[in-house]
Amino acid sequence: GAGVSQSPSNKVTEKGKDVELRCDPISGHTALYWYRQSLGQGLEFLIYFQGNSAPDKSGLPSDRFSAERTGGSVSTLTIQRTQQEDSAVYLCASSIGGTGANVLTFGAGSRLTVL
Amino acid sequence: QKEVEQNSGPLSVPEGAIASLNCTYSDRGSQSFFWYRQYSGKSPELIMFIYSNGDKEDGRFTAQLNKASQYVSLLIRDSQPSDSATYLCAVNRIAGGSNYKLTFGKGTLLTVNP
Repeated sequence: GAGVSQSPSNKVTEKGKDVELRCDPISGHTALYWYRQSLGQGLEFLIYFQGNSAPDKSGLPSDRFSAERTGGSVSTLTIQRTQQEDSAVYLCASSIGGTGANVLTFGAGSRLTVL
Repeated sequence: QKEVEQNSGPLSVPEGAIASLNCTYSDRGSQSFFWYRQYSGKSPELIMFIYSNGDKEDGRFTAQLNKASQYVSLLIRDSQPSDSATYLCAVNRIAGGSNYKLTFGKGTLLTVNP
C-alpha cells in the first residue's frame, strides 16, 4: 500500500480481555517495528522484525504481549489479559531494511483504552 | 544511563528565531541519527537523518553530529508557529549485517510564539 495501515484506530476493552492490533506495512518494506507511546511519553520499543530473521522481542514488557508477522508482510500484536497500564497508542512502522538509512514510516496508530 | 536523552522542554522561542534541539546517546556503536517531528495527536514523521560528523542542511533545518561527544542536534532557522511540535531524536546501529532497532528519546516539546 501507499502507507502503513493500522487497525483498529481506536479500541476500548475491559480489563482482562485479549486484543489484537494489526499492521499492514508499505509494500516491499522488509523491516517492521512496533512501538508504544503512553500519554506524554516517548516511543517505547516493543518488537522488531527484519526479513526472515528471528524477531527482536527485547522490548515486550511481559509475556502477555506477543507479535507475529505472516509471510513477511502483515503483523499482528496481541495483548492477552489486558491491564489498565496497557492503555496507550500502539504505533507500527516499516522501513526498507538492509544496511541503508533505517528511515521509518509510521502508521496512524491504534489507540487502546483498557477500562 | 538512558540510551537516548533529550531535554523534555518545553523550549519556547519567538517566531523568526533559531531553535536548537539537543540529544545525547550512550551507544558508541550508533551509526545513524534521525530527527522526527510529532504534532500533537499525530504520528512521528521524519525530518532528516545524518551519518557523518559535521553538519547537514535541508532547507531551514540543520542536523549536527559529533560522534566523539556522542551528541546530535537539530537547528531550525526562521522558526514558524507551524514548527511547534515534539521533536524526537532516534539512533541506531548496524549489527549482524543489518539495521538494528531504532531507539528514540522522549522528545523535546518546541513552542514557537507568534
